[in-house]
Amino acid sequence: DGGITQSPKYLFRKEGQNVTLSCEQNLNHDAMYWYRQDPGQGLRLIYYSQIVNDFQKGDIAEGYSVSREKKESFPLTVTSAQKNPTAFYLCASSSGAVSHQETQYFGPGTRLLVL
Amino acid sequence: QKEVEQDPGPLSVPEGAIVSLNCTYSNSAFQYFMWYRQYSRKGPELLMYTYSSGNKEDGRFTAQVDKSSKYISLFIRDSQPSDSATYLCAMSASYGGSQGNLIFGKGTKLSVKP
Repeated sequence: DGGITQSPKYLFRKEGQNVTLSCEQNLNHDAMYWYRQDPGQGLRLIYYSQIVNDFQKGDIAEGYSVSREKKESFPLTVTSAQKNPTAFYLCASSSGAVSHQETQYFGPGTRLLVL
Repeated sequence: QKEVEQDPGPLSVPEGAIVSLNCTYSNSAFQYFMWYRQYSRKGPELLMYTYSSGNKEDGRFTAQVDKSSKYISLFIRDSQPSDSATYLCAMSASYGGSQGNLIFGKGTKLSVKP
């Protein structure tokens, strides 16, 4: 089945620890995105990548880092600099085509909790 | 003024009711409009996609866009308990939300009671 997978489903972070969230897609999409969702806040864009080996900061990139070494994979690292990391993290992808039908499709999410 | 405004609800309706969900926006450049459905602790799934103004129908769901009023709506006919979820509107000025410029509303939580 084609789709987006995120792992783990739940992740616990200790004080001062860096943690990495996985996102993989087999949709052959060029563009990938990371969002953070907090209660009552909606979705906020952390980072996005339109092509391999290139990525751009979103609205709330501070305390996060990403890499895009493969088309299928876009891991997100939550660093110790992110002081309030507890949230639901969503990965998305889109084909990147110049088309009126282009839009983003989401993975199932990772819930990050701080111990 | 926020770019996209959406009443968070919660909205509670009896089974079989017609549901109306709405978003207003301020950026007149938006021309791509989407509705996502998100069940609790799951990722959003694309429900409806509309380019520019007009109506689009898909089964029990109808999406309307009124660009003159900067107002979009999602109607659900014959609502079912399985429709209970949070509904997010999203919009973009450039084609389909690539380049990281998809703007989301905060979502409206809907509960359909049997």
